[in-house]
Amino acid sequence: RKEVEQDPGPFNVPEGATVAFNCTYSNSASQSFFWYRQDCRKEPKLLMSVYSSGNEDGRFTAQLNRASQYISLLIRDSKLSDSATYLCVVNRANDMRFGAGTRLTVKP
Amino acid sequence: DTAVSQTPKYLVTQMGNDKSIKCEQNLGHDTMYWYKQDSKKFLKIMFSYNNKELIINETVPNRFSPKSPDKAHLNLHINSLELGDSAVYFCASSLAVSTDTQYFGPGTRLTVL
Repeated sequence: RKEVEQDPGPFNVPEGATVAFNCTYSNSASQSFFWYRQDCRKEPKLLMSVYSSGNEDGRFTAQLNRASQYISLLIRDSKLSDSATYLCVVNRANDMRFGAGTRLTVKP
Repeated sequence: DTAVSQTPKYLVTQMGNDKSIKCEQNLGHDTMYWYKQDSKKFLKIMFSYNNKELIINETVPNRFSPKSPDKAHLNLHINSLELGDSAVYFCASSLAVSTDTQYFGPGTRLTVL
């Protein structure tokens, strides 16, 4: 079993749609959690950190459930520019583990 | 003003050759990393250095040898390149070992023929 598993995708949604990505992690000792975004042929960039209380940044909402070892990302009012691969990232003992990513395509 | 830079951006070489990829960060970070992203887009950590000292060394062949001449640089040397080494290699840095955000370089696309 992979340490970090994500929805396989791809997700193809129309502009304005709401889309949710899920991620599970296997190591209960994991300490910090993130969503990164990676555009085609580009480097990953931090989208947002994920906190136990849940956090929101504009159209993006991230949730963490430590008991279920589950992380989610919700994107509201999707824009064409949201098209990218979203990587779930889990940090334990200063060792970042990336999920394989979920590809999102937002269409006009 | 590039925060994390890598050279070269593209590298095409023959099997059996030795090559190096250079990475530099101007963020004043203490920790640097090398990642490999294969054709299936799975990003996997290879090495992590903190203040020029190795702190993580994942199971990678010993043909891969990282070198950190100072805190701002972490180079990756690869001996006897194999077809399976073809991938995109990303360098990254973070402020400290226990910190959160990692900043990635633009990647080096290595193709072994």
